[in-house]
Amino acid sequence: DQQVKQNSPSLSVQEGRISILNCDYTNSMFDYFLWYKKYPAEGPTFLISISSIKDKNEDGRFTVFLNKSAKHLSLHIVPSQPGDSAVYFCAASQIRDDKIIFGKGTRLHILP
Amino acid sequence: GAGVSQSPSNKVTEKGKDVELRCDPISGHTALYWYRQSLGQGLEFLIYFQGNSAPDKSGLPSDRFSAERTGGSVSTLTIQRTQQEDSAVYLCASSKKEGTGGGLFGPGTRLTVT
Repeated sequence: DQQVKQNSPSLSVQEGRISILNCDYTNSMFDYFLWYKKYPAEGPTFLISISSIKDKNEDGRFTVFLNKSAKHLSLHIVPSQPGDSAVYFCAASQIRDDKIIFGKGTRLHILP
Repeated sequence: GAGVSQSPSNKVTEKGKDVELRCDPISGHTALYWYRQSLGQGLEFLIYFQGNSAPDKSGLPSDRFSAERTGGSVSTLTIQRTQQEDSAVYLCASSKKEGTGGGLFGPGTRLTVT
């Protein structure tokens, strides 16, 4: 039972444009959401997070939006850069117990 | 060290053999997680340690898998009688209890069962 779903396995975006990565979750008990970025042969690195009391969190070129009623979050990267090409994992947890559940990831290709 | 370390980085083993994978978390991090990523798949949760609490083993795929965390620090994931479907990258992460900031991952151990 996939509690965190990333329905797009891959996404291609032109350099300089906005990349939008989507994520849906089913467990209404999740109250903390994270995005990780992963390059080949490396472990995932934490990118940005948002708690359920917010609907937006911004950090430089990265913004995460949370729509609790739709159980949906998205990561916006603008402008997209070549170094953004990686696999992006959406993840969720309950702050109470810390266990982080990941989606299957979306491979982002930034096109020159 | 500055980050989470894992050893070995690569392990090739014959089907039926036992393997041990090691994780050294960041000092002071009370939470430790094991995940695995099979080819073309996402990160599959395996087991979660939090301080002195009983570990959450709900993600272990079979009783051939076990993990220990000694002294609240180093963790060892053991796979007995390995099967080819166990081939994956095994990732360890650690985090502080506060539940924010997510886990910091190690580089992973690539396990290949032949």
